[in-house]
Amino acid sequence: DQQVKQNSPSLSVQEGRISILNCDYTNSMFDYFLWYKKYPAEGPTFLISISSIKDKNEDGRFTVFLNKSAKHLSLHIVPSQPGDSAVYFCAASHKKTSYDKVIFGPGTSLSVIP
Amino acid sequence: DTAVSQTPKYLVTQMGNDKSIKCEQNLGHDTMYWYKQDSKKFLKIMFSYNNKELIINETVPNRFSPKSPDKAHLNLHINSLELGDSAVYFCASSLGSWVGNTEAFFGQGTRLTVV
Repeated sequence: DQQVKQNSPSLSVQEGRISILNCDYTNSMFDYFLWYKKYPAEGPTFLISISSIKDKNEDGRFTVFLNKSAKHLSLHIVPSQPGDSAVYFCAASHKKTSYDKVIFGPGTSLSVIP
Repeated sequence: DTAVSQTPKYLVTQMGNDKSIKCEQNLGHDTMYWYKQDSKKFLKIMFSYNNKELIINETVPNRFSPKSPDKAHLNLHINSLELGDSAVYFCASSLGSWVGNTEAFFGQGTRLTVV
């Protein structure tokens, strides 16, 4: 069962424009959401996160928006740069007994065209 | 200085063999994880250890056995390898349990190919 979905496997954006990566989830118990970025042949690296009590978190060029009623979040990158070309994973976590389990989506491959 | 390192990076082996993937972190973290990235690119948690104690054990065949000799190491041993075990395996670590705001650090992955 896919609790975290990223329905766009790939996205191409012109350099300098905005990139919007979308993520949907099904489990209303999720209380934290994360975005990870992955370059080829490397492990994922943490990018930005948001708590379920907030609807927006911003860090430089990266902003994550959370719409709890729609069970939807999005990552905005503006302006997009060629170095942003990578796979972006949306992930969600919830407390279960005494530990958290982080569940990842399948990723969206972003290509920023110079 | 690699924070989370996995060896080997690539592993090609025949069906039925037993193999191990090693993971070490030098971040002083006390929680380590194994994730599997399957052919559909989902990263799925397999195991989590906190201070050498198993805390997450997802529905994984018992041919997979994690071993944590100390909190800086979490190795993954796989017996009787099958074609379906082919995937990229990622090790990760965090300080404490992976609680929302706690960042987890991943290794570069081990691409396992079973032929």
